[in-house]
Amino acid sequence: KNQVEQSPQSLIILEGKNCTLQCNYTVSPFSNLRWYKQDTGRGPVSLTIMTFSENTKSNGRYTATLDADTKQSSLHITASQLSDSASYICVVSIVRGATNKLIFGTGTLLAVQP
Amino acid sequence: GAVVSQHPSWVICKSGTSVKIECRSLDFQATTMFWYRQFPKQSLMLMATSNEGSKATYEQGVEKDKFLINHASLTLSTLTVTSAHPEDSSFYICSAPGRGADTQYFGPGTRLTVL
Repeated sequence: KNQVEQSPQSLIILEGKNCTLQCNYTVSPFSNLRWYKQDTGRGPVSLTIMTFSENTKSNGRYTATLDADTKQSSLHITASQLSDSASYICVVSIVRGATNKLIFGTGTLLAVQP
Repeated sequence: GAVVSQHPSWVICKSGTSVKIECRSLDFQATTMFWYRQFPKQSLMLMATSNEGSKATYEQGVEKDKFLINHASLTLSTLTVTSAHPEDSSFYICSAPGRGADTQYFGPGTRLTVL
């Protein structure tokens, strides 16, 4: 069964601190892995996208890693800001015909406090 | 970057009425669009794939007669929730693939509340 699991479910950190979110997946055939940020009541916004051969990718204060062997990914947020408060969703794309299918994780709800 | 818009952003309706939600790709064409539903504290669940010029493809368990999808043009897909009931209350999000490989642009979502 194609599944994407994220941990922790929720996280509270102080402004300026770093944090790391985890994602484990059991999907096949794997195409790529994405991290999205979803503000409350808004659609997801892409942060990073990594293919099988990529180990790490950065986007400003966001750095994602991918271990295709263990099927694990992480999203590291550096020097957190209040605006980082959101749900972070790990999404794995699987090959399905002409259009890949996205498998969504349940997300990690991050709250950054002053 | 590419933008996908949705209208309305929120809607409240009475049980038994039908509600139409529009999804537009503003600066690019999309022969395919995707419709998702998201319940509170849950992940996005793919409901159906909208195909321009042909019938939509529905995921298992999604009633095609209840959730009518029309992909009228290369920039517009509509989702109509027919005879809405309170259990249909949810956050509906559409997305469209962009030009780059595996890019996917999401709309801002539509909050539907059925009383």
